[in-house]
Amino acid sequence: DTGVSQNPRHKITKRGQNVTFRCDPISEHNRLYWYRQTLGQGPEFLTYFQNEAQLEKSRLLSDRFSAERPKGSFSTLEIQRTEQGDSAMYLCASSVGGGSYTEAFFGQGTRLTVV
Amino acid sequence: GENVEQHPSTLSVQEGDSAVIKCTYSDSASNYFPWYKQELGKGPQLIIDIRSNVGEKKDQRIAVTLNKTAKHFSLHITETQPEDSAVYFCAACPYGQNFVFGPGTRLSVLP
Repeated sequence: DTGVSQNPRHKITKRGQNVTFRCDPISEHNRLYWYRQTLGQGPEFLTYFQNEAQLEKSRLLSDRFSAERPKGSFSTLEIQRTEQGDSAMYLCASSVGGGSYTEAFFGQGTRLTVV
Repeated sequence: GENVEQHPSTLSVQEGDSAVIKCTYSDSASNYFPWYKQELGKGPQLIIDIRSNVGEKKDQRIAVTLNKTAKHFSLHITETQPEDSAVYFCAACPYGQNFVFGPGTRLSVLP
């Protein structure tokens, strides 16, 4: 399977714990996006990378959220001190290049439940 | 920043009928407009897209139209089938930036 891969698919954690999600983009894609989706809503942009550079992070929901893409390949999204309101689907997408006219392909998402 | 509205929020059609979903956007800098289909428990799947230098694009039973002056674009599905039932999202992308999604339309195709 050469699509975007996200792991784990499901994560249940207790409030206050830290969680980390991984995204492996399509191999030739150098742009990587993170989105959050709550039930019944459209995906909400969090951050994106061009290779290893994080170009936009002002939309990260709080300072508890951070993302990395250290070698310009896979990326991780970490949430510290989770809260019940963090329960959502976290989606990763990747695309070729940094300009316009580039299709973005999504992974299957990681569903986080904070209890 | 960009804001995308989408209507209707739910749509039920009889199998074989057509379905139309409409979106409006606010940022005139947006120049790329993809549509995604999302099935329960899965990530969004790109089904068709249109760029700002094109007014219409068709792929088999699916077509998209764009009116840059009015800042709106629409998805048309003809000869609907039960497997078309899903949530559909439109999105707008200002040059080189992130995708901004609409709130989604839940389409139900009744046999």
